[in-house]
Amino acid sequence: QKEVEQNSGPLSVPEGAIASLNCTYSDRGSQSFFWYRQYSGKSPELIMFIYSNGDKEDGRFTAQLNKASQYVSLLIRDSQPSDSATYLCAGDQTGANNLFFGTGTRLTVIP
Amino acid sequence: GAVVSQHPSWVICKSGTSVKIECRSLDFQATTMFWYRQFPKQSLMLMATSNEGSKATYEQGVEKDKFLINHASLTLSTLTVTSAHPEDSSFYICSALTSTDTQYFGPGTRLTVL
Repeated sequence: QKEVEQNSGPLSVPEGAIASLNCTYSDRGSQSFFWYRQYSGKSPELIMFIYSNGDKEDGRFTAQLNKASQYVSLLIRDSQPSDSATYLCAGDQTGANNLFFGTGTRLTVIP
Repeated sequence: GAVVSQHPSWVICKSGTSVKIECRSLDFQATTMFWYRQFPKQSLMLMATSNEGSKATYEQGVEKDKFLINHASLTLSTLTVTSAHPEDSSFYICSALTSTDTQYFGPGTRLTVL
């Protein structure tokens, strides 16, 4: 079983819509979760991190964490073509510094 | 956010040669850095965890004698691919861990072995 699983997509949404990206994790001891965006040919860049149950908002992005369900999501409001990228979900590993990464979800925002 | 640099951004080398990649944290000190490899259309694969002043911890299946890691200072870690072969061609990305346990990635190094 993969430690972090994401819908591989691809996911397509029209410009201005809300894009919803989902992730589940298996390590109940995981405390911190991160969303990275990766453009083709580039390295990942951090969008948001979340530690507590509930929602965390930053501009057009909202991360949601439900530890009981072991579920993390990222909502992108008012999606823009420039949001088109692969989004990686990552969770920390109990007792270690490294992260488990999902395989990523490819998002395309259609103008 | 914290800034991490990598050098070189791309390198082409002949089979059998060694290539060194540098990873630097520019505006913070990082006792821990990570090295990843990413093949086309695949996710990141953690190769090793680099700790300043101690030996790196390699993931299962990663040859420590082939991928030499040195983390001699709090801002610099190096990855040397020894005796590179075409199958080592990949996108190598480092990340550095901040004091708040957040990883920031370098821009990556694209290695092509002919």
